Amino acid sequence: GEDVEQSLFLSVREGDSSVINCTYTDSSSTYLYWYKQEPGAGLQLLTYIFSNMDMKQDQRLTVLLNKKDKHLSLRIADTQTGDSAIYFCAENGSYNTDKLIFGTGTRLQVFP
Amino acid sequence: DTGVSQNPRHKITKRGQNVTFRCDPISEHNRLYWYRQTLGQGPEFLTYFQNEAQLEKSRLLSDRFSAERPKGSFSTLEIQRTEQGDSAMYLCASRKQGLDDSDTQYFGPGTRLTVL
Repeated sequence: GEDVEQSLFLSVREGDSSVINCTYTDSSSTYLYWYKQEPGAGLQLLTYIFSNMDMKQDQRLTVLLNKKDKHLSLRIADTQTGDSAIYFCAENGSYNTDKLIFGTGTRLQVFP
Repeated sequence: DTGVSQNPRHKITKRGQNVTFRCDPISEHNRLYWYRQTLGQGPEFLTYFQNEAQLEKSRLLSDRFSAERPKGSFSTLEIQRTEQGDSAMYLCASRKQGLDDSDTQYFGPGTRLTVL
């Protein structure tokens, strides 16, 4: 079946690195995504990784993919208070569908 | 490019009433998606269109829900005889199949529905 799991909360001090983890079950996913959602708002795409890649770096963001363990992580370097939000990982599922399967989201709280 | 827009942003209705939401995708995006997000959860897929054709519907989309995309541009999502369990954020997303090799879906700000 299709399932994406994330830890619910993460609290970090401003300036530290944050690591948000995600596990998924569908090994046929082509892409995996990280979205950010601020209170009352829609989802903002942060980054994505192709399933045959191990790592992708985009400015302060680093995505690591362990396809064998079906584990995805998002590292935010030099975390700022403006990074406080809910972060969702998502996979694009099987070949015969175009829907995204989302995790429950990780609430990141950054304190000074 | 103004992004995906949704109207209204907020809707409060009484149980049993019908509501309709509108989504305007990014120009030239041929695929349009609807998701529902309840409090504390991630978005759940409802349905998607390629141009005007509705290609997939989730089991979440009960017979009280209907979505259309008559001219392959904007889409509407109608909920008939609303129930309190329909209270959620309804998110719309779009993408251009074949143009973006990451298959990325771009989301609108959502319509928050509250059923009293």
